[in-house]
Amino acid sequence: AAGVIQSPRHLIKEKRETATLKCYPIPRHDTVYWYQQGPGQDPQFLISFYEKMQSDKGSIPDRFSAQQFSDYHSELNMSSLELGDSALYFCASSLKGQITDTQYFGPGTRLTVL
Amino acid sequence: DQQVKQNSPSLSVQEGRISILNCDYTNSMFDYFLWYKKYPAEGPTFLISISSIKDKNEDGRFTVFLNKSAKHLSLHIVPSQPGDSAVYFCAASSGTSYGKLTFGQGTILTVHP
Repeated sequence: AAGVIQSPRHLIKEKRETATLKCYPIPRHDTVYWYQQGPGQDPQFLISFYEKMQSDKGSIPDRFSAQQFSDYHSELNMSSLELGDSALYFCASSLKGQITDTQYFGPGTRLTVL
Repeated sequence: DQQVKQNSPSLSVQEGRISILNCDYTNSMFDYFLWYKKYPAEGPTFLISISSIKDKNEDGRFTVFLNKSAKHLSLHIVPSQPGDSAVYFCAASSGTSYGKLTFGQGTILTVHP
């Protein structure tokens, strides 16, 4: 079965650079979620989109922005990168965006900021 | 403010025995709870969930129990298998916040052959 695809899997950037992470949800899923997991920490919710509209917002820095496109894929744009942005970034998708719909996670993008 | 807590960082169990992973939450608005399993270098994999209108949900070897009055849930794995060795995350969400999951810190389960 098709799963959530994230690209790239690994990314190394310098401080103050920008990064774009991509997420391709499971086919027919209409909701995507972004999470950030720092070293030794639990995943923290960043932002979610349902039918291309932002549906919820968590602890996402102002330096980050995200959007969902017409084909339901999503991109997380990160600017003015800081050392503390080094983390594993997970994307998840679900169908209909209802609370009881299971979120399926991608393998994550490991971002390292030097 | 950790709203979902897994107080045991690790658990070691013998193959064939029961594994019990615990999770506590503080936010009374949470009404849906999930357990995810995570292997290194992979994303969390959904295991089982429970709505606050239930106190038990079972799926094969996995059973989740919810005690709303104690704000406590647990995941039972019977029998435990070496392939179950992974990090287990408890997560919760609220109907007021559209699918946003709040995770616990995770418990590392090791099942010894």
